[in-house]
Amino acid sequence: DVKVTQSSRYLVKRTGEKVFLECVQDMDHENMFWYRQDPGLGLRLIYFSYDVKMKEKGDIPEGYSVSREKKERFSLILESASTNQTSMYLCASRGGTGGFETQYFGPGTRLLVL
Amino acid sequence: AQSVTQLDSHVSVSEGTPVLLRCNYSSSYSPSLFWYVQHPNKGLQLLLKYTSAATLVKGINGFEAEFKKSETSFHLTKPSAHMSDAAEYFCVVTVYSSASKIIFGSGTRLSIRP
Repeated sequence: DVKVTQSSRYLVKRTGEKVFLECVQDMDHENMFWYRQDPGLGLRLIYFSYDVKMKEKGDIPEGYSVSREKKERFSLILESASTNQTSMYLCASRGGTGGFETQYFGPGTRLLVL
Repeated sequence: AQSVTQLDSHVSVSEGTPVLLRCNYSSSYSPSLFWYVQHPNKGLQLLLKYTSAATLVKGINGFEAEFKKSETSFHLTKPSAHMSDAAEYFCVVTVYSSASKIIFGSGTRLSIRP
């Protein structure tokens, strides 16, 4: 089974702190994604990566950056956390290049910024 | 352009009765369509997907969905609801191979009454 793990289930940070969210997948997938999930808004794509060191902005990249130095690891960075970044963050991975490929999700990190 | 609309934000049914979660999509090209389920405080898990093979797709836990091109719909059904089906359900449409073309619906919360 594909496994996607996220470094923390719950995080509490203060405004202005730099926050790192880590995601690791064990299936050698090329594609990895970061989403945030807010009630009534579904999932919104922050960034995705289609290869090591390659990234593309999603729908809501402002205030976030990402890093992919190794194929299995994709990090989301909040340079200076703000209260409006309080949310559930979901990481996903996907193999291949076809639109029919399944995404596999991690359990999520619930971030609270005070 | 592509889009996906989940017609109900919340559906409540009694245990043992049928479940219908509605999803309409818009796509200029042949889409791939997915239903994912998210149990509380968990990541998303694939229920089933349509990828231009059979229009009636069977998934896990007794769920199925029918792709109807003429109605641009991909409704999720189950003949008999179980308490464990209580969760959030997301309809997803993808086109091409670009990861940025993965569009999530806003979700339907399914509640099961004993």
